[in-house]
Order: sequence, then C-alpha cells, then structure tokens
Amino acid sequence: AQSVTQPDIHITVSEGASLELRCNYSYGATPYLFWYVQSPGQGLQLLLKYFSGDTLVQGIKGFEAEFKRSQSSFNLRKPSVHWSDAAEYFCAVVISSGTYKYIFGTGTRLKVLA
Amino acid sequence: DAGITQSPRHKVTETGTPVTLRCHQTENHRYMYWYRQDPGHGLRLIHYSYGVKDTDKGEVSDGYSVSRSKTEDFLLTLESATSSQTSVYFCAISERAGGNNEQFFGPGTRLTVL
Repeated sequence: AQSVTQPDIHITVSEGASLELRCNYSYGATPYLFWYVQSPGQGLQLLLKYFSGDTLVQGIKGFEAEFKRSQSSFNLRKPSVHWSDAAEYFCAVVISSGTYKYIFGTGTRLKVLA
Repeated sequence: DAGITQSPRHKVTETGTPVTLRCHQTENHRYMYWYRQDPGHGLRLIHYSYGVKDTDKGEVSDGYSVSRSKTEDFLLTLESATSSQTSVYFCAISERAGGNNEQFFGPGTRLTVL
C-alpha cells in the first residue's frame, strides 16, 4: 500500500543550526511531492512541491528539499533555523489511482532552542 | 491567503448529538475536502467534493456525511457524535484535481465529544 513515513516525531535544534527533516514514501512510480508547515492553531501552508525536473527544489522561508528516486525520499532542509520555524511539518504525496489521492505523513514537530 | 473559513472554530458536544461543521470559501475553487487530524495519524481524508452536489468518500468516512449545495460551502455532519470523533477537522480547497495542484487549508475546527 502507498504510504508516507516521517520517522522523526520530534526534533529539537538550536537557533542558527541546520535542519533536515526526513520523508520517505512507498509508491511504484514517482509521485507528486509536497511539504507543508503547520504553526500552532493554524492550518497547513505549502512550503514547496516537486513534480519533475530539477530534483532540488526551493521553497518559501528559506527551505529546500531534494528528491532522491533511489531512496524514495524527499527530505526537507534549511541551512540556518530561526525561532519562528518552530512548527509541525508534514510531508505529503499525491498518487494517481483513478482519482488523485493525497497521502500525508504523520508529521514532525520542530522545537527551536534560543 | 486563500479565503477559507471554518465554523465553528471550537466545539464541545456530547456523545449522540448531531454536529455540523461548515467550510466556506471565496476562491470559487471546484474541489473541497474534509480531513481530520489526529496525533500519530497526520491528516486523513473524510470526504471530498468535486462540484456542487458531487461528493465522494475518503479513507475514514464512516460516521460522517457531507453536503455541497453551492460552490462556496461544504458541510460536514456527524449524525451521532462519538468520542472517537474528537479531533481537529480541516477543510481544504483546490482549483483542479491533478496531482500537481496545491491544496489550501482552512484554520481548522477543534471538536471535543464528551
């Protein structure tokens, strides 16, 4: 069955440190890939997306993600984390199975230490 | 920000009572979705709509019904609320159904069933 795995439930980093959030998917073909961020009490906001082409994609707020087909991964990175980045991050894939179906990961909650 | 509102934002109800959540959009998007968000599960699709009076089930539709009588409103009804339906409910919209189409999310409704 298709699935999305975010192996880290919680991550804590110091402000200014680099960040990498992991996302792996299980799907026979290359899916459409997304990263969303959810601030406390808010809905989800799109950070970036990958459909095809360059496997390194840039998003908002200084985030980037790299698609690695061989590893079925789409990890999110940021070179220097800001305190305002504290939030929950969701990886999502969209697969085609008759209709287009969004599958979300379980999320990674990021805590930033001052 | 996409014009999506959800009402109510918070609700506490008792087991066995009916509950209706409303999603309202001002973007004139064709597709609307209801998700529930639970710890350890990420977001799971309850129902979606691909046009006025056109709806279909998602992966966790049992105990829920929906209606869409006009483009801008998508209602989610719990006919007889149960404690297992305590959750945060998100509405989302998208302009088209393709895999490369971003979904825009509302602010969420926190429902507690006692």
